[in-house]
Amino acid sequence: DTAVSQTPKYLVTQMGNDKSIKCEQNLGHDTMYWYKQDSKKFLKIMFSYNNKELIINETVPNRFSPKSPDKAHLNLHINSLELGDSAVYFCASSQAASGSAGELFFGEGSRLTVL
Amino acid sequence: GQSLEQPSEVTAVEGAIVQINCTYQTSGFYGLSWYQQHDGGAPTFLSYNALDGLEETGRFSSFLSRSDSYGYLLLQELQMKDSASYFCAVPSWANAGKSTFGDGTTLTVKP
Repeated sequence: DTAVSQTPKYLVTQMGNDKSIKCEQNLGHDTMYWYKQDSKKFLKIMFSYNNKELIINETVPNRFSPKSPDKAHLNLHINSLELGDSAVYFCASSQAASGSAGELFFGEGSRLTVL
Repeated sequence: GQSLEQPSEVTAVEGAIVQINCTYQTSGFYGLSWYQQHDGGAPTFLSYNALDGLEETGRFSSFLSRSDSYGYLLLQELQMKDSASYFCAVPSWANAGKSTFGDGTTLTVKP
């Protein structure tokens, strides 16, 4: 059973299009995240949701809109795609509890290529 | 804010020992985590140090010195499969456990 699964794994699309990535976790975690990893492998947080509520929005353009229908799902919709959006997008979850490692469990990533 | 510095690349031979350093500047420090990521794969959690000292897990150990804002990951008896990127990270409990990652160290293990 995959703990954090995201689809699709690969996305190739034209500039200006809209696309969505879906994420589901079966770990019973309260907190879910979207991270972006660029071509230099820098991992940057984009959003964090705790029990379906948006907690963190790290100055991401409003073309990116996350949605969490329940605490096991966190989707990412991207409007008007730009070349600079090409990256690998990782969904992650954790059982956030103060004092713990906050171990993140990552999905396999969705590689987005904008042409 | 949070910032973490680690070397961008390290190369070592099979069987050797390698140390990957991480220095950090954070507001509200709780501990230091390490993640491993193979090419094309997802980051996976390796270790977490909340207190000063060395934590050992098999061939991998992680060290933290809070007074020096410094930690390292020590990999012993290197194997080819250890070739990967290694990230230090700091969780922030003021921000729903969000982890800020260093820029990663690419470890290449040569035969």
